[in-house]
Amino acid sequence: DVQLVESGGGLVQPGGSLRLSCAASGFTFSNYWMHWVRQAPGKGLEWVSRIKTDGSYTTYADSVKGRFTISRDNAKNMLYLQLNSLRAEDTAVYYCAGGDSGFYSSWGQGTLVTVSS
Amino acid sequence: IVLTQSPGTLSLSPGERATLSCTASQSVSNNYLAWYQQKLGQVPRLLIYHASSRATGIPDRFSGSGSGTDFTLTISRLEPEDFAVYYCQQYGTSVLTFGGGTKVEIK
Repeated sequence: DVQLVESGGGLVQPGGSLRLSCAASGFTFSNYWMHWVRQAPGKGLEWVSRIKTDGSYTTYADSVKGRFTISRDNAKNMLYLQLNSLRAEDTAVYYCAGGDSGFYSSWGQGTLVTVSS
Repeated sequence: IVLTQSPGTLSLSPGERATLSCTASQSVSNNYLAWYQQKLGQVPRLLIYHASSRATGIPDRFSGSGSGTDFTLTISRLEPEDFAVYYCQQYGTSVLTFGGGTKVEIK
């Protein structure tokens, strides 16, 4: 079975940093585009970033561009999201998702990031 | 691309037909539009991609249609498990975007 497990969330002060991880298993990780999608408490879905199968191409939402960095390690079946210069509005559950370049059929359970002083 | 979903909330009874709309601020390239379902407390589930292709395991009561800027998700006969929030998403540009969601609730 496809499994995606996020970790690394927590409470951080405004301006701080976090690194989220997503461990993949049950499928050929290197064949999948991977994405991060977030959902603020009680709000809708917001796409954050994506990375191509080999890591050679990445794109970001305007709201996080220049602050967040997506990366992957295909040898370890791991996806990462480095979050810098965090703001209160970045508070959300962060999901990793895998699939095609634009849509995804596999989702993790999410990790909560709370930005507060 | 900004996606606007309507209505915000749809109140229907089991067995009724649900029609959800997603309107894009500009044409969606190659009709690269997907629909997801999210039940309360659960992870989103892919229903439709490429505007009209059903994802694996999705019942045929779910169908997607549309092109350009106007897209529709239709649920032919609502089952109790279909009451949820539905999101459209476009992936025709380098920056992907979701719509704000339509909640389908029991009348």
